[in-house]
Amino acid sequence: EAQVTQNPRYLITVTGKKLTVTCSQNMNHEYMSWYRQDPGLGLRQIYYSMNVEVTDKGDVPEGYKVSRKEKRNFPLILESPSPNQTSLYFCASSLGGRGGELFFGEGSRLTVL
Amino acid sequence: QKEVEQNSGPLSVPEGAIASLNCTYSDRVSQSFFWYRQYSGKSPELIMSIYSNGDKEDGRFTAQLNKASQYVSLLIRDSQPSDSATYLCAVPNTGGFKTIFGAGTRLFVKA
Repeated sequence: EAQVTQNPRYLITVTGKKLTVTCSQNMNHEYMSWYRQDPGLGLRQIYYSMNVEVTDKGDVPEGYKVSRKEKRNFPLILESPSPNQTSLYFCASSLGGRGGELFFGEGSRLTVL
Repeated sequence: QKEVEQNSGPLSVPEGAIASLNCTYSDRVSQSFFWYRQYSGKSPELIMSIYSNGDKEDGRFTAQLNKASQYVSLLIRDSQPSDSATYLCAVPNTGGFKTIFGAGTRLFVKA
């Protein structure tokens, strides 16, 4: 089954404790991206990757890091989480190699206390 | 001005009616446009894409694009309660690697 898998799905953590949200896709997509979704603000792009070892900032990259060492994986790293990073996070991948036709993971709800 | 704007709603329509969802965008050179549906507590799923001016129909869904007016809309005919969701308009930037989403319109279809 074609899918984008995120882990963890739910996480409560404390300020400053490094965490990683993993994302894996089994569709051999070149393009992957991370979004956060907040009430009233919609989906905002954090980082994206056009291919292995090629990443770039989206609109809200501050406080996040990413890496793309393998085509299927695109982890999101919060080195020192803060309460304003409490959000619902989505990983997505694209068949077309661009950002339009996106296939989303189930989401990861993160709470930073 | 936001890059992609949608009326947040909620838009409430009776079952069987036509629901009309609207989206405007600011980048004049945008070439592709997408509609996603997001049920409460779920992830967005792509339901329509449109690239050329005019209408594109897929089942009960019709996407309409007017590049001169920088306007894209989604019509849902014969609305069903199962269509109740938030509808997101998405527009990739010129290079295609960054996608801007509207804040979404909440649709309620009353049985």
